[in-house]
Amino acid sequence: GQNIDQPTEMTATEGAIVQINCTYQTSGFNGLFWYQQHAGEAPTFLSYNVLDGLEEKGRFSSFLSRSKGYSYLLLKELQMKDSASYLCAVTSADRGSTLGRLYFGRGTQLTVWP
Amino acid sequence: GAVVSQHPSWVICKSGTSVKIECRSLDFQATTMFWYRQFPKQSLMLMATSNEGSKATYEQGVEKDKFLINHASLTLSTLTVTSAHPEDSSFYICSASLLEGPGELFFGEGSRLTVL
Repeated sequence: GQNIDQPTEMTATEGAIVQINCTYQTSGFNGLFWYQQHAGEAPTFLSYNVLDGLEEKGRFSSFLSRSKGYSYLLLKELQMKDSASYLCAVTSADRGSTLGRLYFGRGTQLTVWP
Repeated sequence: GAVVSQHPSWVICKSGTSVKIECRSLDFQATTMFWYRQFPKQSLMLMATSNEGSKATYEQGVEKDKFLINHASLTLSTLTVTSAHPEDSSFYICSASLLEGPGELFFGEGSRLTVL
């Protein structure tokens, strides 16, 4: 099975930097995603890591360590609109699946204060 | 980017009725789509993998006779919640992937089902 753990809530102020951690245990690991989800809306893609290291994309960066079963999402220059739930998800190649079977963590609710 | 569309966005039905939710890939062909369910303040739970031209693959604990999935074409998958009950009220989201891409999944807008 899959076991994905991330903090439930985090708060930060505008302009700050925040790091959201995610640890996972899964068989057949085939990549890790980060998604942003605003209340009542579908998730939107932020990043995908399959190799160890840091992927940078504008204000958002994502890091993966496969040996440690660990990832983090780094948000810089926080804005009020970044207040949302951030979901860590892993893909599993079990059962001969394709890449799209995702198993999500419970999400980290980030609140950005002015 | 690729677009996945769901319909309806909102649906309210009486207990015991069946509800069909459609998921379409608008500008690409998706041989595989995925259905998720999300309860309030919970994360997304993968329900099943929808395979074009073959039976869906259900995750453990998901009743295949309760949640009927049909993948009739390369751009359409449907989820039918049969004999709906209030505990089936949830946010249902579909997704599809561009397998030739970097692994990005595209999600539909979601369908909120309320069973009275």
